[in-house]
Amino acid sequence: GQQLNQSPQSMFIQEGEDVSMNCTSSSIFNTWLWYKQDPGEGPVLLIALYKAGELTSNGRLTAQFGITRKDSFLNISASIPSDVGIYFCAGLLASGYALNFGKGTSLLVTP
Amino acid sequence: GAGVSQSPSNKVTEKGKDVELRCDPISGHTALYWYRQSLGQGLEFLIYFQGNSAPDKSGLPSDRFSAERTGGSVSTLTIQRTQQEDSAVYLCASSSRTGNEQYFGPGTRLTVT
Repeated sequence: GQQLNQSPQSMFIQEGEDVSMNCTSSSIFNTWLWYKQDPGEGPVLLIALYKAGELTSNGRLTAQFGITRKDSFLNISASIPSDVGIYFCAGLLASGYALNFGKGTSLLVTP
Repeated sequence: GAGVSQSPSNKVTEKGKDVELRCDPISGHTALYWYRQSLGQGLEFLIYFQGNSAPDKSGLPSDRFSAERTGGSVSTLTIQRTQQEDSAVYLCASSSRTGNEQYFGPGTRLTVT
């Protein structure tokens, strides 16, 4: 699979703070997806991006598909304790079907 | 509607035994995918089905792994002669068609003792 570099690896923040994480790749992707995974659960889809430059929001979450098609970022505004979990980026090649995943960003939020 | 379901949720087996993991995709989803998530590793692709056909089996780690899908719905991942390195969470996902967003099930946590 394609290598995705996701950063930061972990974040420890206070409730109310904004969070930003990103993914970069050496390959051009057609689709970028962001997932959240809680312990013992499967990844839950947060946002899907299909077009270079696209900026999409889902509540307090905003994600963008980089114009080079090799990167994407996810922002979480005004974090709350239930935002705790591991966030994964995933990219899909133009003719692909297998998601290529980053190694995840572990988010901890203190009240 | 119902999401992707997987069974069992947990499976403990002895080294050398065979195991079967089951996935029920979202109704109407034609594409189905299996991934593996190991401790400290990301999610790695194993195999995908379009209908009942598996065009790409290259992600399967060894010939001890096989999968089938019947009726364009339920899929079974079989691991023969399990080894300790097979211990992982096996995740199933489905999508309405290839290239669309994939929705994951809760996973099966496999422990080989």
